Amino acid sequence: GAGVSQSPSNKVTEKGKDVELRCDPISGHTALYWYRQSLGQGLEFLIYFQGNSAPDKSGLPSDRFSAERTGGSVSTLTIQRTQQEDSAVYLCASSPRVGVNTEAFFGQGTRLTVV
Amino acid sequence: GNSVTQMEGPVTLSEEAFLTINCTYTATGYPSLFWYVQYPGEGLQLLLKATKADDKGSNKGFEATYRKETTSFHLEKGSVQVSDSAVYFCALSPRGTSGSRLTFGEGTQLTVNP
Repeated sequence: GAGVSQSPSNKVTEKGKDVELRCDPISGHTALYWYRQSLGQGLEFLIYFQGNSAPDKSGLPSDRFSAERTGGSVSTLTIQRTQQEDSAVYLCASSPRVGVNTEAFFGQGTRLTVV
Repeated sequence: GNSVTQMEGPVTLSEEAFLTINCTYTATGYPSLFWYVQYPGEGLQLLLKATKADDKGSNKGFEATYRKETTSFHLEKGSVQVSDSAVYFCALSPRGTSGSRLTFGEGTQLTVNP
């Protein structure tokens, strides 16, 4: 597609349930990021994938959070045993490989509400 | 490590006022620098960028100059409009460093009143 696509756009889940958020990056982009944005807050870095390198997981807030990227393309962010504090907009971005034109292109985000 | 420090908000201006949002960075080498904007209810989008020292990025009347000597990339606009109300994020991208990621500032909320 032309841009970064995220699904679902909105997700309401009950506390304690697991959720999966999907990101389809721009074709050919090797770098993929997940960020979290809580209401009125800045961007909280979660995880970064770059090509075949080991992902930078330093931003994941707890072991309930995990992400994978299959075939260097689609990524899934999984949150297990969701808590109310997980409610936020989860943003995915992709960019060409570092060192070239490294502008990041963002998706519209998934708004997660844990009730 | 890399870091970006932005002027704290929120910033409230009247229409046609002059805008400056300060941004300074810490990085090894010569990163690329960006300003992103997030309009109410929308996703982040690139506003402007500069890839080397003394470059000036510009778009929609906004400008920012890459100042290596002061490690700054301040955003300016001569006459703001109500439609410029948004959150602005300064960011840097390392150059030629495998495995390093984009780093964002905390964001600055701008409100322009008519």
